[in-house]
Amino acid sequence: KAGVTQTPRYLIKTRGQQVTLSCSPISGHRSVSWYQQTPGQGLQFLFEYFSETQRNKGNFPGRFSGRQFSNSRSEMNVSTLELGDSALYLCASRDQPSYDTEAFFGQGTRLTVV
Amino acid sequence: AQSVTQLGSHVSVSEGALVLLRCNYSSSVPPYLFWYVQYPNQGLQLLLKYTTGATLVKGINGFEAEFKKSETSFHLTKPSAHMSDAAEYFCAVLTNTGNQFYFGTGTSLTVIP
Repeated sequence: KAGVTQTPRYLIKTRGQQVTLSCSPISGHRSVSWYQQTPGQGLQFLFEYFSETQRNKGNFPGRFSGRQFSNSRSEMNVSTLELGDSALYLCASRDQPSYDTEAFFGQGTRLTVV
Repeated sequence: AQSVTQLGSHVSVSEGALVLLRCNYSSSVPPYLFWYVQYPNQGLQLLLKYTTGATLVKGINGFEAEFKKSETSFHLTKPSAHMSDAAEYFCAVLTNTGNQFYFGTGTSLTVIP
């Protein structure tokens, strides 16, 4: 069974640009969550999608958005990039968003904004 | 509101020594608690979890944790550290709706040969 695939693994963007990150969950999993990891703030929840619907959103500005497709693949978009958006972005895949289902994390996309 | 506090951002132990990583939680409802490990340039891997039932939870790689409600703690232990245990460890609590983790700030474990 293939794991969670995040693409690309590394990205370098310039301030003001926009970026799209992709996450392909484990086959059959319908829940995808996104987290931002930085040395200063640690792991912070961005949003969660289940069956193409955003069910929960963290405390991030509107520049951060996401969506989920019918095949459960998810994308997150960051517009008007700022230096502070440099981070490791992790995606978590679950069968469903329940307390007793295990979350499987991808290796992440490391975004560097210059 | 739910939150997690990990005491000690860096812990060093000798190979073969006891590993103890501390985690305290704050939750207004019965918590669902997790420990994850992260190796360099990797995602998070589940070590163990407490949802319901037995308060002593055994995980992978010889790790275990005990849920103590009276102390609001979920400390991670391993009797004998191995060099391969060197990594970043995160304690997390899951909301009772099951759709969001709150992570601690992490503890970096160094194992000294």
